[in-house]
Amino acid sequence: AQSVTQLGSHVSVSEGALVLLRCNYSSSVPPYLFWYVQYPNQGLQLLLKYTTGATLVKGINGFEAEFKKSETSFHLTKPSAHMSDAAEYFCAVGAGNNRKLIWGLGTSLAVNP
Amino acid sequence: EPEVTQTPSHQVTQMGQEVILRCVPISNHLYFYWYRQILGQKVEFLVSFYNNEISEKSEIFDDQFSVERPDGSNFTLKIRSTKLEDSAMYFCASRDKGQPYGYTFGSGTRLTVV
Repeated sequence: AQSVTQLGSHVSVSEGALVLLRCNYSSSVPPYLFWYVQYPNQGLQLLLKYTTGATLVKGINGFEAEFKKSETSFHLTKPSAHMSDAAEYFCAVGAGNNRKLIWGLGTSLAVNP
Repeated sequence: EPEVTQTPSHQVTQMGQEVILRCVPISNHLYFYWYRQILGQKVEFLVSFYNNEISEKSEIFDDQFSVERPDGSNFTLKIRSTKLEDSAMYFCASRDKGQPYGYTFGSGTRLTVV
């Protein structure tokens, strides 16, 4: 069965600093991996996804993530945080024939001026 | 850009009452989903729907829950007798057949059971 673990429920960075949000997954089959962002009082927006091919995936708003099979990880990074990046970030893995998503608990990112 | 529309955005209901959450998926999408997110917890899969029937449901999706696509455009989630623990944000999503994980999520309905 698939599962996702996000290390750190709250991460705080200074504006301009590196953002690193950690995600580890468990999957019995080659995984499809996703990062979603949720701004306050809004829905779920896809940041990026890994399906096959290149292990470094670039997404919207300057975010990227690297799929590391040996480490079963899919950490999300951004070189320089912006105040507008403050949000909840969810890692998810695709599962099953019906393509449902299994979600991590989320990481709340705060960006300090 | 096509959107998944959910109504209402916020609903307050008394315990024991029936609620219907409504969703209008993207018109050419074939697969439909409901997820929920209890405040402070992870997003959880509830049910998937394809070809006018449930294709998969989670343990959460018990007899109190039902889904329907009554008119070919709307996709509804009904909770027959709401409990306090049903208070959550409910997200509808749809995807096309050619995009295995090409979800489009709605903005959610926040259900508060009092």
